[in-house]
Amino acid sequence: DTGVSQNPRHKITKRGQNVTFRCDPISEHNRLYWYRQTLGQGPEFLTYFQNEAQLEKSRLLSDRFSAERPKGSFSTLEIQRTEQGDSAMYLCASSLYHYEQYFGPGTRLTVT
Amino acid sequence: GENVEQHPSTLSVQEGDSAVIKCTYSDSASNYFPWYKQELGKRPQLIIDIRSNVGEKKDQRIAVTLNKTAKHFSLHITETQPEDSAVYFCAASEAGGGADGLTFGKGTHLIIQP
Repeated sequence: DTGVSQNPRHKITKRGQNVTFRCDPISEHNRLYWYRQTLGQGPEFLTYFQNEAQLEKSRLLSDRFSAERPKGSFSTLEIQRTEQGDSAMYLCASSLYHYEQYFGPGTRLTVT
Repeated sequence: GENVEQHPSTLSVQEGDSAVIKCTYSDSASNYFPWYKQELGKRPQLIIDIRSNVGEKKDQRIAVTLNKTAKHFSLHITETQPEDSAVYFCAASEAGGGADGLTFGKGTHLIIQP
């Protein structure tokens, strides 16, 4: 499968714990995006990388969230001190140019 | 920041009829407008997109139109089929202008009645 992949697919954690998600983009894509989607809503943009550089961050990305893409390939999204409001589907997308973002299957986070 | 409004929230059409979903955007700097289809439990799937230098784009039964002056764009699906049933999202971004992150509408649940 040459599409965007995300791991884990599901994560259940207790409030206050830290979690980390991984995204592997389509191999030739140099742009990588993180979004969050809650039930019945459209995806909300969190942050975006071009190669290793984090170029854009949404106001939604609080201090508890951090994303990295150290070698310009895969990316990780960490949430520290999780809260119940963090429960959502975390989606990753990648693109070759500024257009045509292709999404991964997402990581569903449940904070209990 | 950008704000995208999408209507209707639910659309029910008879199989074989056409469906139209409309979106408006607020930021005149936005220049890229994709549409995604999301089936229950699946990832959003890019189905068509349009850039601001084009007024209309077609791909088989799907077409998108853009009116930059009025800041609105629409998705048209002709000869609807049961497999078209899904949630459709419009989105907008200022691609290449430092704001590549997409702003999505709230979605339209399209129901194709047999």
